[in-house]
Amino acid sequence: NAGVTQTPKFQVLKTGQSMTLQCAQDMNHNSMYWYRQDPGMGLRLIYYSASEGTTDKGEVPNGYNVSRLNKREFSLRLESAAPSQTSVYFCASKGGVGEQYFGPGTRLTVT
Amino acid sequence: KNQVEQSPQSLIILEGKNCTLQCNYTVSPFSNLRWYKQDTGRGPVSLTIMTFSENTKSNGRYTATLDADTKQSSLHITASQLSDSASYICVVSEANQAGTALIFGKGTTLSVSS
Repeated sequence: NAGVTQTPKFQVLKTGQSMTLQCAQDMNHNSMYWYRQDPGMGLRLIYYSASEGTTDKGEVPNGYNVSRLNKREFSLRLESAAPSQTSVYFCASKGGVGEQYFGPGTRLTVT
Repeated sequence: KNQVEQSPQSLIILEGKNCTLQCNYTVSPFSNLRWYKQDTGRGPVSLTIMTFSENTKSNGRYTATLDADTKQSSLHITASQLSDSASYICVVSEANQAGTALIFGKGTTLSVSS
């Protein structure tokens, strides 16, 4: 039982490049989330998926797209990376009304 | 606006000492309050979760309190250890029609020195 896994752990992109961050959970949770964490700020919700087949915008969705591929996997895509998207990205999952479990994070730098 | 404020921003204590971290919130309607521990370079890990009717909840050397009337919570760490060095994040869950929305505090960075 690995919990929530994320790939890659680190990534450096040039402005304008695209990439997809991958997230998978093995806890059979319905809800999955993408957050970003910046220095001096609390985690901010980018997108979430309450169940397979649905996705909704969070607090800071601009510049991102998501795909809930199946119940296990929830990916985050940056179509044209910008320096403002330099951040640490966390994926999380939640079952029912229980707590959220976070992945180890992806540290992204956009130059 | 729903907000979660934590204090202090950072704290340095000697190993073996106790400390208390504070969390004030203005989230409404309230669903629950959680404390997370985040080690450097890792994702947050849940320590406690409390609903409206719970005043105190413990997890080993960690004890969280909640005063829903004053909208305040605290996290008390007893007999601190070097491994307690981390960021502690207070998270308040807002009950809404879509489910629940989490409002994150900015965290308190705790450093425990020997």
